[in-house]
Amino acid sequence: GDSVTQMEGPVTLSEEAFLTINCTYTATGYPSLFWYVQYPGEGLQLLLKATKADDKGSNKGFEATYRKETTSFHLEKGSVQVSDSAVYFCVPGGTSYGKLTFGQGTILTVHP
Amino acid sequence: DTEVTQTPKHLVMGMTNKKSLKCEQHMGHRAMYWYKQKAKKPPELMFVYSYEKLSINESVPSRFSPECPNSSLLNLHLHALQPEDSALYLCASSQKGRRGNTGELFFGEGSRLTVL
Repeated sequence: GDSVTQMEGPVTLSEEAFLTINCTYTATGYPSLFWYVQYPGEGLQLLLKATKADDKGSNKGFEATYRKETTSFHLEKGSVQVSDSAVYFCVPGGTSYGKLTFGQGTILTVHP
Repeated sequence: DTEVTQTPKHLVMGMTNKKSLKCEQHMGHRAMYWYKQKAKKPPELMFVYSYEKLSINESVPSRFSPECPNSSLLNLHLHALQPEDSALYLCASSQKGRRGNTGELFFGEGSRLTVL
């Protein structure tokens, strides 16, 4: 079955630092890939996605590139802000309703 | 309108109570989901409804009873819960593609349930 290995946290950074959260996956075929973010006290929301190999998803300064050869979808941001403090989940999409394989989540804390 | 709305946001109930969680979306999505999320863990799928029919039940105990009255509404009826059922319950919806769900879910903010 599908599986996701996500960089363990928690990750603590100072404001304006560079962020990388690693994600590798195993899946049948070549699914769409997603990063979801969960801010404190809120539900999950889609941060960015990539639907095919070499696609780069981007949003709010975050980027991730779909690397088929390494089955990876690492999340990066050049300069983090305090407001980026949240839990980040790497998720390969699938073809079965709702049967998504969530990564274990990476807690990011950004200090001023 | 791109929201999934869940009520109540917080619920405290005793083990003998009967309560319901409600979820509503007006995006025309035909698949709706209930997830359970414990603190610092990823969400766990409970139920999936597709075109108002239950399509997936992930072996959830019968004290949780889902209901989909129409394509916009999803309920989760709770009865005789245990303290370990305390969690954040998330509702989500998605478009139905020809090959099923590709992973883009729209989540509500969740209902935080505490069972005493």
